[in-house]
Amino acid sequence: AQKVTQAQTEISVVEKEDVTLDCVYETRDTTYYLFWYKQPPSGELVFLIRRNSFDEQNEISGRYSWNFQKSTSSFNFTITASQVVDSAVYFCALSLRFGNEKLTFGTGTRLTIIP
Amino acid sequence: GAVVSQHPSRVICKSGTSVKIECRSLDFQATTMFWYRQFPKQSLMLMATSNEGSKATYEQGVEKDKFLINHASLTLSTLTVTSAHPEDSSFYICSARSPGQGHEKLFFGSGTQLSVL
Repeated sequence: AQKVTQAQTEISVVEKEDVTLDCVYETRDTTYYLFWYKQPPSGELVFLIRRNSFDEQNEISGRYSWNFQKSTSSFNFTITASQVVDSAVYFCALSLRFGNEKLTFGTGTRLTIIP
Repeated sequence: GAVVSQHPSRVICKSGTSVKIECRSLDFQATTMFWYRQFPKQSLMLMATSNEGSKATYEQGVEKDKFLINHASLTLSTLTVTSAHPEDSSFYICSARSPGQGHEKLFFGSGTQLSVL
């Protein structure tokens, strides 16, 4: 069975600080997909990124960056120069098949950016 | 972009009553929709896959007679919690896939907070 662990339940940082959200996953499969979703106060989940298990290249998208390390089974998410609009719950998730919506989610990290 | 609308956003009901939650895809047709449940401080758990025109597929441990799913059209799936009890209190969220295979094509509703008294 798959498991996703987000050990940080809540994080608060002052605006403009950098913050890293941790995600550790468990799976016996060699092919899998990792995701990050953002859940703002309005409730809906917003897709941020998908990464497959064969691509360990780190990715940067604006202020967002992701560090995928298979050696430690981690897929961490960093927000640089945080902004108040970044306040949300962030979920890490794992799926075994491309296009398979059976996502295994972590428990989420509530991020609060203090103005 | 594509949007999924979920209604109601919050419902409070008495124990023993049934509650219906709607999930609509607003600008695309969704042959498949998904229902998740999230208990406080726990992860989202997939409950069932709703297939237009056929029976839903339930995950292990989810009572199909308790959580009735109807996907009567390409834009609407409903989840009915029958004879709700306090232990059914949870956050329910749906998602729908727009045409295409990528996960970025999976859109989520804003969720329904169910409180059973």
